[in-house]
Amino acid sequence: NAGVTQTPKFQVLKTGQSMTLQCAQDMNHEYMSWYRQDPGMGLRLIHYSVGAGITDQGEVPNGYNVSRSTTEDFPLRLLSAAPSQTSVYFCASRAGQIGYTFGSGTRLTVV
Amino acid sequence: KNEVEQSPQNLTAQEGEFITINCSYSVGISALHWLQQHPGGGIVSLFMLSSGKKKHGRLIATINIQEKHSSLHITASHPRDSAVYICAVRGLYGGATNKLIFGTGTLLAVQP
Repeated sequence: NAGVTQTPKFQVLKTGQSMTLQCAQDMNHEYMSWYRQDPGMGLRLIHYSVGAGITDQGEVPNGYNVSRSTTEDFPLRLLSAAPSQTSVYFCASRAGQIGYTFGSGTRLTVV
Repeated sequence: KNEVEQSPQNLTAQEGEFITINCSYSVGISALHWLQQHPGGGIVSLFMLSSGKKKHGRLIATINIQEKHSSLHITASHPRDSAVYICAVRGLYGGATNKLIFGTGTLLAVQP
């Protein structure tokens, strides 16, 4: 089925560990983005990309790194995990004036 | 003050009732999005609006650009409509058109 695939669905990390959250879409969407969702804060944009080789920062980029080597993939890297990065992470894609397609989310706990 | 405000924050309705969720924003926008998130679940895009009104099944979304206000209506509500409804806006110029600003959501519970 066409859509946005996020892996893993759940992850527990120790403080200081690094990891990569994967996001892939098969709809040939140019725009992809990462969000975190925290209770009482709503969703906030971390990083986004408007096409392969182009990325930019969102509202809360510190502690996260992204790259976009292909149209399909947009991984999010946590360089040195901190408890403040405990959250639910969503990847989304969009093409033109069509609405967003979200992945199913990754629930990350940093202990 | 948040750039996107939703009201009410929580809403309980009886099955069959007409429901209205409101969204006000303070910035110029290129588009407004309504999203639905079931408890513990993913996020689904319901509507994208830049003017006027859209309808999909029992859901209706309207926007008034001059008043910077949008409403999401649910007719003949059903328990399966129970979810968080999120309003989000995209900016009007330059890089802001690539960034969504979200409201904190409205938690709707429809009781049978």
